[in-house]
Amino acid sequence: GDSVTQMEGPVTLSEEAFLTINCTYTATGYPSLFWYVQYPGEGLQLLLKATKADDKGSNKGFEATYRKETTSFHLEKGSVQVSDSAVYFCALSDGGGDMRFGAGTRLTVKP
Amino acid sequence: DAGVTQSPTHLIKTRGQQVTLRCSPKSGHDTVSWYQQALGQGPQFIFQYYEEEERQRGNFPDRFSGHQFPNYSSELNVNALLLGDSALYLCASSWDTTYNEQFFGPGTRLTVL
Repeated sequence: GDSVTQMEGPVTLSEEAFLTINCTYTATGYPSLFWYVQYPGEGLQLLLKATKADDKGSNKGFEATYRKETTSFHLEKGSVQVSDSAVYFCALSDGGGDMRFGAGTRLTVKP
Repeated sequence: DAGVTQSPTHLIKTRGQQVTLRCSPKSGHDTVSWYQQALGQGPQFIFQYYEEEERQRGNFPDRFSGHQFPNYSSELNVNALLLGDSALYLCASSWDTTYNEQFFGPGTRLTVL
């Protein structure tokens, strides 16, 4: 079945460093892809999404491009802040209710 | 515009007991999905409700059941609780069963002792 594999953490960066969190997927169809962020003690917040190949999702300085040829949706940010410390989840949905998530990557940004 | 709300925030139960968790979807949404998130893991799909019926189900035992009310709110019931049921239970809502984007609530933290 459909699945998501994302880079294992934890990831620790200094403030203003460049961030990449890798995400690859396996799907039989053409799913939509998502990045969600979870802050301590909270639920999931949608960070960005892309619904078809070559789409780029972006929000709050984060970007990810839907690459069908490499089945990837890597998350990037040019300059991270302490406030970006959280757990990031890559997810896919084929249009049904069963959204598939990766295991999550914990990011810690140090001042 | 209220987002997805869940109650209670935290819950402590003992093995063998039963629990009911509640969810109100985002305004305008009619589809509710439930997920279980164990500590340190990604959410796992339990089931989805639309038009007061279970439309899709993940790999969870029959101890997990649900309900959707005419106002689109939903309940998740878990019977005969096991220690392994301890997790964050997330509710997500969307416009319909085919719409990809889901909006998540803050979750209910269930601890089974």
